[in-house]
Amino acid sequence: EAQVTQNPRYLITVTGKKLTVTCSQNMNHEYMSWYRQDPGLGLRQIYYSMNVEVTDKGDVPEGYKVSRKEKRNFPLILESPSPNQTSLYFCASRDPMETQYFGPGTRLLVL
Amino acid sequence: QKEVEQNSGPLSVPEGAIASLNCTYSDRGSQSFFWYRQYSGKSPELIMFIYSNGDKEDGRFTAQLNKASQYVSLLIRDSQPSDSATYLCAVIALRFYFGTGTSLTVIP
Repeated sequence: EAQVTQNPRYLITVTGKKLTVTCSQNMNHEYMSWYRQDPGLGLRQIYYSMNVEVTDKGDVPEGYKVSRKEKRNFPLILESPSPNQTSLYFCASRDPMETQYFGPGTRLLVL
Repeated sequence: QKEVEQNSGPLSVPEGAIASLNCTYSDRGSQSFFWYRQYSGKSPELIMFIYSNGDKEDGRFTAQLNKASQYVSLLIRDSQPSDSATYLCAVIALRFYFGTGTSLTVIP
């Protein structure tokens, strides 16, 4: 089954404790991206990657890091999480027809 | 100015009616336009995409694009309670930009 997977689905952590949210797709898509979704603000792009080793900032990259060492994986790293990074996070991959496929989401709470 | 703007609603329609969702975008160079549906707590799922001016129909859904007015809309005919969700408009202007979504409730 073609899909985008994310882990963990739910995470509660404390300020300053580094965390990684994994994302993997099995559709051989070159383009992947991370979004956060907040009430009233909609989906905002954090980072995107057009291919292996090629990443770029989206609208809200501050406080986040990404890496793309393999085509299928695109982890999101929060080196020192803060409460304002409490949000719902989605990973997505995009096919050549520009259709995006979203993962199930990761709900993060930073205390 | 936001890249994509939608009326946040909420929009309520009776079952069987036509629901009309609207979206405007700021970048005249935008070429691709998408409508996603998102149920509460779930990830967005693609309903339709449209690239050319005019209408595109898929079952009960019709997307309408007017590039001169920078306007894209989604019509849902014969609305069903299962259509109750938030609808996200998205455009590609170098990158993907999403609107904040319109909440639709279909009343049985």
